[in-house]
Amino acid sequence: DAGVIQSPRHEVTEMGQEVTLRCKPISGHNSLFWYRQTMMRGLELLIYFNNNVPIDDSGMPEDRFSAKMPNASFSTLKIQPSEPRDSAVYFCASSLGGNSEQYFGPGTRLTVT
Amino acid sequence: KQEVTQIPAALSVPEGENLVLNCSFTDSAIYNLQWFRQDPGKGLTSLLLIQSSQREQTSGRLNASLDKSSGRSTLYIAASQPGDSATYLCAVPTGGGNKLTFGTGTQLKVEL
Repeated sequence: DAGVIQSPRHEVTEMGQEVTLRCKPISGHNSLFWYRQTMMRGLELLIYFNNNVPIDDSGMPEDRFSAKMPNASFSTLKIQPSEPRDSAVYFCASSLGGNSEQYFGPGTRLTVT
Repeated sequence: KQEVTQIPAALSVPEGENLVLNCSFTDSAIYNLQWFRQDPGKGLTSLLLIQSSQREQTSGRLNASLDKSSGRSTLYIAASQPGDSATYLCAVPTGGGNKLTFGTGTQLKVEL
């Protein structure tokens, strides 16, 4: 298996622009997670899906952030409009759910200028 | 609110030394604990997942222990190598679901 796939790996954009991050979970996994990592706050869960349904989005910082999972093999995290404080590494992870291990993608490094 | 702390924040050891990384959590109502490593500029690699019913889990030179009652886990690395240099993170599920709360990490450097 190719593991969790994320694109793009790096994104540089200007403040106010829309940013879309993409994730393909490991085939057969039914839980998908979006995390954000910064030096100041470490790793934080933004949202997670179970069987394509959002279960907990309490970590989404504000209405500028939205996430979708239209099918079992694809998810997006969108920021509109982006701000410099959104600069971080965004990770996607997937698992079989329940008590299973979470497997992380390589991350998307976002820089908003 | 679950809080996860890792001590020490940074550790430097000579090659070949055995070492222990510590992880503590405030809410002992967990059903597993996961250890990860993160190399600079990279994603997280899962090392071990230890279920709440287990006391230890081993993979190669790594051994993780879990003591739920005291809210502690340790990751033991035997015969450390320069390739073990990375940041090690522990994480526990929070809120009865799969939502992970991560520790602050231990940055390990193994020197030749």
